Amino acid sequence: GDSVTQMEGPVTLSEEACLTINCTYTATGYPSLFWYVQYPGEGLQLLLKATKADDKGSNKGFEATYRKETTSFHLEKGSVQVSDSAVYFCALSISSGGSYIPTFGRGTSLIVHP
Amino acid sequence: DTGVSQDPRHKITKRGQNVTFRCDPISEHNRLYWYRQTLGQGPEFLTYFQNEAQLEKSRLLSDRFSAERPKGSFSTLEIQRTEQGDSAMYLCASSSRTSGREAKIYEQYFGPGTRLTVT
Repeated sequence: GDSVTQMEGPVTLSEEACLTINCTYTATGYPSLFWYVQYPGEGLQLLLKATKADDKGSNKGFEATYRKETTSFHLEKGSVQVSDSAVYFCALSISSGGSYIPTFGRGTSLIVHP
Repeated sequence: DTGVSQDPRHKITKRGQNVTFRCDPISEHNRLYWYRQTLGQGPEFLTYFQNEAQLEKSRLLSDRFSAERPKGSFSTLEIQRTEQGDSAMYLCASSSRTSGREAKIYEQYFGPGTRLTVT
């Protein structure tokens, strides 16, 4: 079945460091790809998305490029802030009878120190 | 637009008791989803509704679980005869069809979740 694999955390960085969180996927069709963020005590928020190969999703300084050849959608940010500390989930969504129910990775915790 | 709300935010119950959670989606959204999230895991799909119709249920949704969305607005998730393994965060999300060339992509908006602890 469809699946998403994320790098294990926690990822611990100093403020202003560069961030990369790896995400690879397995899908039987042509999925859309998403990154969600979950801050402590809150629900998931959509961070960015990409719907076709070579699309780049971006939001709040985060970017991810849909790489079909490597089945990857790595999350990057050039300079992290303490406020970016959260859990990040990679997800894919593919039509299955019109349902588009997403499959989530296990999440990667990011801790940013001042 | 006040976002997706869930009630209660926390529930502690004894094994064997029944519990019911409520989700109020974003008002114009026609789809509503329930997920379960355990520590260190991503959300796992339980069931979803389009308007008042329950269109799909996961194998995770045992006979003790039932969900309703009677008027196509708010939804309830009931767990009967709770077990300790039911302890988790229960997330609700809603979505609607986006416009334009991404019309088939249903972006989901999540509520804050209900944390259930079964003692």
